[in-house]
Amino acid sequence: AQTVTQSQPEMSVQEAETVTLSCTYDTSESNYYLFWYKQPPSRQMILVIRQEAYKQQNATENRFSVNFQKAAKSFSLKISDSQLGDTAMYFCALSDAGNMLTFGGGTRLMVKP
Amino acid sequence: SAVISQKPSRDICQRGTSLTIQCQVDSQVTMMFWYRQQPGQSLTLIATANQGSEATYESGFVIDKFPISRPNLTFSTLTVSNMSPEDSSIYLCSVVRRGRVDEQFFGPGTRLTVL
Repeated sequence: AQTVTQSQPEMSVQEAETVTLSCTYDTSESNYYLFWYKQPPSRQMILVIRQEAYKQQNATENRFSVNFQKAAKSFSLKISDSQLGDTAMYFCALSDAGNMLTFGGGTRLMVKP
Repeated sequence: SAVISQKPSRDICQRGTSLTIQCQVDSQVTMMFWYRQQPGQSLTLIATANQGSEATYESGFVIDKFPISRPNLTFSTLTVSNMSPEDSSIYLCSVVRRGRVDEQFFGPGTRLTVL
């Protein structure tokens, strides 16, 4: 069985600063994908960034980057230059090749002006 | 990204009734899933909607309570049957496009309140 754990239920950051959200996971699969989703109050789930397990290079999407530590089964999300629009729930998720997603419990991020 | 629509976007229903939620995608997809998000909680997979055959349900979810149809590659329905207040949740469909197993996109969700 796959598990995903987010140990930070809530976090806050000042606008323009950097914040890191933590995620650890467990899976017996050798090929899998990791994701960070953002869910603003509108409830739409938005894919922020994804990482393929066999790729050693950390994924980057503009202000969002990950620190993927495969041996430690860790997948943290770094948000640089935080903006007010980054305020949302963030979910870490794991899947194996197009199958179901297993989600972590979520981290509520508040960006303060 | 795939364009996914869900109907209705929200509904308020009486205990004991049933509601059918529709999910429509603008392109053919390989996998379609239905998730439930209870208030303040994370997402939990209900089932995988299989085209032309019975859905595959996760532990704790049964076909009598959550019947699912997927008549073609772009459309699926989820019915919440004999509703109780505990069924009040957001229900989301998600899809995986052909050839893109590294992406899973979500519909806007259906907010259900059961009185």
